[in-house]
Amino acid sequence: DAGVTQSPTHLIKTRGQQVTLRCSPKSGHDTVSWYQQALGQGPQFIFQYYEEEERQRGNFPDRFSGHQFPNYSSELNVNALLLGDSALYLCASSSDTGLNQPQHFGDGTRLSIL
Amino acid sequence: AQSVTQLDSQVPVFEEAPVELRCNYSSSVSVYLFWYVQYPNQGLQLLLKYLSGSTLVESINGFEAEFNKSQTSFHLRKPSVHISDTAEYFCAVSGPKTSYDKVIFGPGTSLSVIP
Repeated sequence: DAGVTQSPTHLIKTRGQQVTLRCSPKSGHDTVSWYQQALGQGPQFIFQYYEEEERQRGNFPDRFSGHQFPNYSSELNVNALLLGDSALYLCASSSDTGLNQPQHFGDGTRLSIL
Repeated sequence: AQSVTQLDSQVPVFEEAPVELRCNYSSSVSVYLFWYVQYPNQGLQLLLKYLSGSTLVESINGFEAEFNKSQTSFHLRKPSVHISDTAEYFCAVSGPKTSYDKVIFGPGTSLSVIP
């Protein structure tokens, strides 16, 4: 049973560019959340997708957008990249939007901005 | 608004010794509390959580944490650590609204188990 898979594992971009990160949820899960984890810090919630719609959003600018496909996979898009966007981006899936259902995390995509 | 403090950024401990990782939170409302573990180059895994009921919660790999409302703490303990416990540990808090956008993570504590 495959868990949460993310691609790519590493990515290097320059300021001003755009990036797309991908996530496939664990089998049986229909809810996907994205987090940003800066070096030496805990994860920060970006947004959550359920039924192909953004359901919850953290304190991130509109440069951060996402999408969920009918097969429940998801993409995170970041436009006009800044040096401060360098971080580990984590995807987590669950079978419900609430806290009663645990999230399963992928291993993340390490994004470096030069 | 909730916030989380993890008082120790790094904790070195010898193998088979006990360990306590400290977590304090601030909140004006009732809370839910979590501990997550992150092994090198991996995502987070839920270790244990307190939502309600018994204030002592246990994980399957020997960790336990106790919710102390008066001290606003949720310290993580293990009586005897193994090399495989070396990882980053994150405490997290959420308000009574049960949704992930309200979960606030602490900065993490790096546990290093020394052989």
